[in-house]
Amino acid sequence: EVQLVESGGDLIQPGGSLRLSCEVSDFSVGRYYMNWVRQAPGKGLEWVSFIYSTFSTAYSDSVKGRFTISIDSSKITLFLQMNSLRAEDTAVYYCARRESSNYYYYMDVWGKGTTVTVSS
Amino acid sequence: EVVLTQSPGTLSLSLGERATLSCRASRSVTSSYLAWYQQRRGQAPRILIYGTSNRAAGIPDRFSGSGSGTDFNLTVTRLEPEDFAVYYCQHYGPSPGFIFGPGTKVDI
Repeated sequence: EVQLVESGGDLIQPGGSLRLSCEVSDFSVGRYYMNWVRQAPGKGLEWVSFIYSTFSTAYSDSVKGRFTISIDSSKITLFLQMNSLRAEDTAVYYCARRESSNYYYYMDVWGKGTTVTVSS
Repeated sequence: EVVLTQSPGTLSLSLGERATLSCRASRSVTSSYLAWYQQRRGQAPRILIYGTSNRAAGIPDRFSGSGSGTDFNLTVTRLEPEDFAVYYCQHYGPSPGFIFGPGTKVDI
């Protein structure tokens, strides 16, 4: 069964760093556009970043220069390295797979999310 | 950049009623990039409709999508208890990345 399981969320002080992981089952992350989407408490969804096959990445303006997305060589884990964290980065972070057709653009599989709280 | 606006913010309806949710884009968008997600309380979003009008696997036929250009709708006929949730529309691009609308809450 295709599954995404996030981990690594924590309470962290402003200015700190955290690395989120997303382990996948039944497919290779190297073959899909893999995304991080976040949701601040009581707010809507915000796309954060994507990666395709280790060499193509993109970031939202709100995290560019602070966050880095990557995948491991085994192609089963997606990461999000978050540096210089701010209070406004507090959110549930979801890992999501983009559907593969290159015609329809949507996220067909989502993890349950991991919670990041940035607070002193 | 495209901005998605959803209306109404909250839709208060009863079981068995019809819900019509609106998503308006700030400029004309690509229909194949327009999707709708449902998010129940405490759960991750799940895809309902992709490419404006295509139901995702396992989605009941009481859900339907329509629209083109700047105006898109999600319709839920005969609301069931599990349909009370928040619904988001989504577009991709033009700059790399996904854009979401602010959501419509369907409430009892």
